[in-house]
Amino acid sequence: QVQLQESGPGLVKPSETLSLTCAVSGVSISSNNWWSWFRQSPDQGLEWIGDIFHSGGTNYNPSLKSRVTISVDRSKSHFSLNLTSVTAADTAVYYCAKSVDAMDWYFDLWGRGTVVIVSS
Amino acid sequence: DIQMTQSPPSVTASVGDRVNITCRASQGISWWLAWYQQKPGKAPKLLIYAASSLQSGVPSRFSGSGSGADFTLTISNLQPDDVATYYCQQANIFPWTFGPGTKVEIK
Repeated sequence: QVQLQESGPGLVKPSETLSLTCAVSGVSISSNNWWSWFRQSPDQGLEWIGDIFHSGGTNYNPSLKSRVTISVDRSKSHFSLNLTSVTAADTAVYYCAKSVDAMDWYFDLWGRGTVVIVSS
Repeated sequence: DIQMTQSPPSVTASVGDRVNITCRASQGISWWLAWYQQKPGKAPKLLIYAASSLQSGVPSRFSGSGSGADFTLTISNLQPDDVATYYCQQANIFPWTFGPGTKVEIK
């Protein structure tokens, strides 16, 4: 069964680093598509954070670029998101997703999402 | 960034009705547009890509049209299972951006 599954802490303290992992199953993480992170909050709506190719190439949203790192571990078939210096504005549901292919940034497979709350 | 707007913000219609949702980009994006359906507590689901191509497995009552800056998602023969929020997404220029959503409800 093809699926993505997010995991990580549901509560992060302000100024600390949010770290999430997306486990990929049923499809090769080395396939010809991008692996992406999104978040969704009532205030910001759906927001693309960034993505990574299996070779390690990345694209980041300029609004978050200074705080975001996305990495991939092909041996474990997962990719990860690190977001530093978090504030309450980073509270959201975080999703990982797969692009249709390497040239078309439409997203045809999504994880179920994980809620992250930033609070002391 | 390319700004995406949608109208109406919400629509209430009867089963069997035809529903049109409009999406407008702040600049031309050719046909680089997708539509997603999101039900409460669930992830978005890809319905339409490249403005008018139906994603595999999506019922044919969903259709998309438009190019440039103006696009439409049409749900013909509205069904109870179509109650959801619908989002457009541009895939022309980084960063990818989404519309604010249109909530579809049944009378």
